[in-house]
Amino acid sequence: NAGVTQTPKFQVLKTGQSMTLQCAQDMNHNSMYWYRQDPGMGLRLIYYSASEGTTDKGEVPNGYNVSRLNKREFSLRLESAAPSQTSVYFCASSRTDSYSNQPQHFGDGTRLSIL
Amino acid sequence: AQSVTQLDSHVSVSEGTPVLLRCNYSSSYSPSLFWYVQHPNKGLQLLLKYTSAATLVKGINGFEAEFKKSETSFHLTKPSAHMSDAAEYFCVVWMDTGRRALTFGSGTRLQVQP
Repeated sequence: NAGVTQTPKFQVLKTGQSMTLQCAQDMNHNSMYWYRQDPGMGLRLIYYSASEGTTDKGEVPNGYNVSRLNKREFSLRLESAAPSQTSVYFCASSRTDSYSNQPQHFGDGTRLSIL
Repeated sequence: AQSVTQLDSHVSVSEGTPVLLRCNYSSSYSPSLFWYVQHPNKGLQLLLKYTSAATLVKGINGFEAEFKKSETSFHLTKPSAHMSDAAEYFCVVWMDTGRRALTFGSGTRLQVQP
């Protein structure tokens, strides 16, 4: 029962470096999401993919890019990391985004520090 | 615009006593509402969801929540706290406004004292 798997779990970067956060789900879900979690702010949506082949900006997309590689995988890329991107990043998936009663399933997060 | 407010950032209870975590939402639409729990260094796990069926919703681990439209509230309760309930709890709202995404409250950290 893997559910949503994120790699890596921890990462430290220097300002200006790039990296890609990986996410894969094995529940045959259509929709996938990337969030960031900062203290006292809940989770904020960065990007989402309603279905394979589509991606849309969320609330805080600046400084990020995403790729929906296939139905299972959705990656998040930081092209030039900045200290303001220090956060915990969560990937989630849901069967579809079109119905209000679809819960999202979350990975365990990637803890990213930018020095 | 939709929003959700968790009225307490921290709640501390003794083991065996009731738990009340408060959540208010604002919405121009009929929302779907969720409570998620996050244990340390883990992702979020769904506790329960409200989707316009019964207003009293039962979830996992003995938690329940009541949707009160007149008060725009969706408070989470549990009759008797257990040590394993110590975690952060998020009230979350979903509305079909075109941008189909969840809006999260800022979270309530629940401490359970022995």
